[in-house]
Amino acid sequence: KAGVTQTPRYLIKTRGQQVTLSCSPISGHRSVSWYQQTPGQGLQFLFEYFSETQRNKGNFPGRFSGRQFSNSRSEMNVSTLELGDSALYLCASSLYRGRDTQYFGPGTRLTVL
Amino acid sequence: SQQGEEDPQALSIQEGENATMNCSYKTSINNLQWYRQNSGRGLVHLILIRSNEREKHSGRLRVTLDTSKKSSSLLITASRAADTASYFCATDATRGSTLGRLYFGRGTQLTVWP
Repeated sequence: KAGVTQTPRYLIKTRGQQVTLSCSPISGHRSVSWYQQTPGQGLQFLFEYFSETQRNKGNFPGRFSGRQFSNSRSEMNVSTLELGDSALYLCASSLYRGRDTQYFGPGTRLTVL
Repeated sequence: SQQGEEDPQALSIQEGENATMNCSYKTSINNLQWYRQNSGRGLVHLILIRSNEREKHSGRLRVTLDTSKKSSSLLITASRAADTASYFCATDATRGSTLGRLYFGRGTQLTVWP
């Protein structure tokens, strides 16, 4: 069974631009979560989607948004990029919400110049 | 905050030795998971232990959970250079609006010297 895939793997943007990251969960998994990892803040939860609905949101500004499609694939969007948005963005999928293993993708490395 | 905290922050050992990492957390949990991350890459799931379990094994890995002390430990036996990585514990909430969300600690950086 294929693992979680994320595209693109690397991205370079400039301040003020927007970016869309994509995540394809493991087949059959319905929950998708997004995390941001930076050296300063560590791993921080962005949001979780289940059955095309956002179920949880972390403490991030409204510039960070996401969605989930009927096939459970998910996208996250960051608008008006700031230098501090440079990070590794990780997507994780699980069968259902809670009590299940969350499997992570390889991440998208975003660099904002 | 429910965030887990790993201890020590860094651990350096020789191949063949055992490595023990600890994790403490603050609130009730459903599960506790351990992950490994090689430099700048995605998280690799190692093991999940449920709140009603006390110990689990997987290959060279042994995880214990003490819910009364809100702590867990990860033991890697007979370490190899390939075990060099950062190790994170992640806890989740028992219910409510934070269900499904994982809380990570800062991780333990393990270096295994040949």
